Amino acid sequence: GDSVTQMEGPVTLSEEAFLTINCTYTATGYPSLFWYVQYPGEGLQLLLKATKADDKGSNKGFEATYRKETTSFHLEKGSVQVSDSAVYFCALSDQGGSYIPTFGRGTSLIVHP
Amino acid sequence: GAGVSQTPSNKVTEKGKYVELRCDPISGHTALYWYRQSLGQGPEFLIYFQGTGAADDSGLPNDRFFAVRPEGSVSTLKIQRTERGDSAVYLCASSSPGGGGPDTQYFGPGTRLTVL
Repeated sequence: GDSVTQMEGPVTLSEEAFLTINCTYTATGYPSLFWYVQYPGEGLQLLLKATKADDKGSNKGFEATYRKETTSFHLEKGSVQVSDSAVYFCALSDQGGSYIPTFGRGTSLIVHP
Repeated sequence: GAGVSQTPSNKVTEKGKYVELRCDPISGHTALYWYRQSLGQGPEFLIYFQGTGAADDSGLPNDRFFAVRPEGSVSTLKIQRTERGDSAVYLCASSSPGGGGPDTQYFGPGTRLTVL
């Protein structure tokens, strides 16, 4: 079945550092790929998505590129802020039918001033 | 409404009791999903509604779990004879063919269920 593997956290960075959170996936078809973010005390929010190979999703300074050849969708940000501290979830879903996503385990990001 | 809402935000119950968790999706969203999130894990799919009908309930762990959406809007997740292993955050999400697309789900804040 489909699966998503994320790097384990927590990832601890200083403000303005470069961020990478790795995500790889296994899927039988051509899924859509997502990054969701969960800020402390809040629900999951969609951060960005990409629906086909080589697409780049971007939002709030975060980017991720759909790499079919390496089955990856790594999340990057050039300069993190304290307010980016949250748990980040990589996910995939089939593009037809139910769109039920499969989530990774989440990676906690802690940004220090 | 402005977003997906879930009630209660917290529920503490005793082993063996029955609980109901409610989800109010975004107005007009036809698809509704329930997930369970254990500590340190990503959300796990439970059941998916398209309108009033359960289109996919393959994620329900056993027959103690049941969900309804009688009018195609509000949904209730029902858990009978609760067990300590049912303790988790239960998330609801909704989506619509328009807007961000059917694959873009909007999540509620969740209900934290604790079974003592």
